[in-house]
Amino acid sequence: AQSVAQPEDQVNVAEGNPLTVKCTYSVSGNPYLFWYVQYPNRGLQFLLKYITGDNLVKGSYGFEAEFNKSQTSFHLKKPSALVSDSALYFCAVRDPRGLIFGQGTELSVKP
Amino acid sequence: DTEVTQTPKHLVMGMTNKKSLKCEQHMGHRAMYWYKQKAKKPPELMFVYSYEKLSINESVPSRFSPECPNSSLLNLHLHALQPEDSALYLCASSQAGDRGYNEQFFGPGTRLTVL
Repeated sequence: AQSVAQPEDQVNVAEGNPLTVKCTYSVSGNPYLFWYVQYPNRGLQFLLKYITGDNLVKGSYGFEAEFNKSQTSFHLKKPSALVSDSALYFCAVRDPRGLIFGQGTELSVKP
Repeated sequence: DTEVTQTPKHLVMGMTNKKSLKCEQHMGHRAMYWYKQKAKKPPELMFVYSYEKLSINESVPSRFSPECPNSSLLNLHLHALQPEDSALYLCASSQAGDRGYNEQFFGPGTRLTVL
């Protein structure tokens, strides 16, 4: 069965510092991996996805993610965090039935 | 138009009421989804429609009844709900077919409270 894990419930970063939100995956076959962000009382917004090709994927709002096959990881990164990046972040993997989400990581960026 | 809309935004209902949640998209997507999300938890898949046919029902209780009247609309009919059904209900859409790399676009959700 496909699954993803987000090992950190919460990540705290100072504004202007780089941020990383971690995700590891377990899949059979080629992984289709996604990152979504959810602001309070809102739906999920698609940030980026990995299908195949370059291991560094660029997405919306300055986010990027690095696919690492040997470490089975797909960490989300941003070079310089903004206070407005504070939100709940979900990593997801495509399963034949739909998207399987990780437990989520709450990102808090302080000024 | 890359938006999925959901109505109502908020809904409070008693355990004997019947209500419906509505979802609409005009992106030409032929796959539509209902998810249930509890606070600060990941969304849980409930139903999947592909080309207006129900393709997946994740063992959801019969008090939830989905309907896809056309390719742009998705409804979720609610009847005799329980307080534990209180949650954010999210609708999503995507390109259909076997292409697992198609991202899903989510609506803002309906916040449901069952008294």
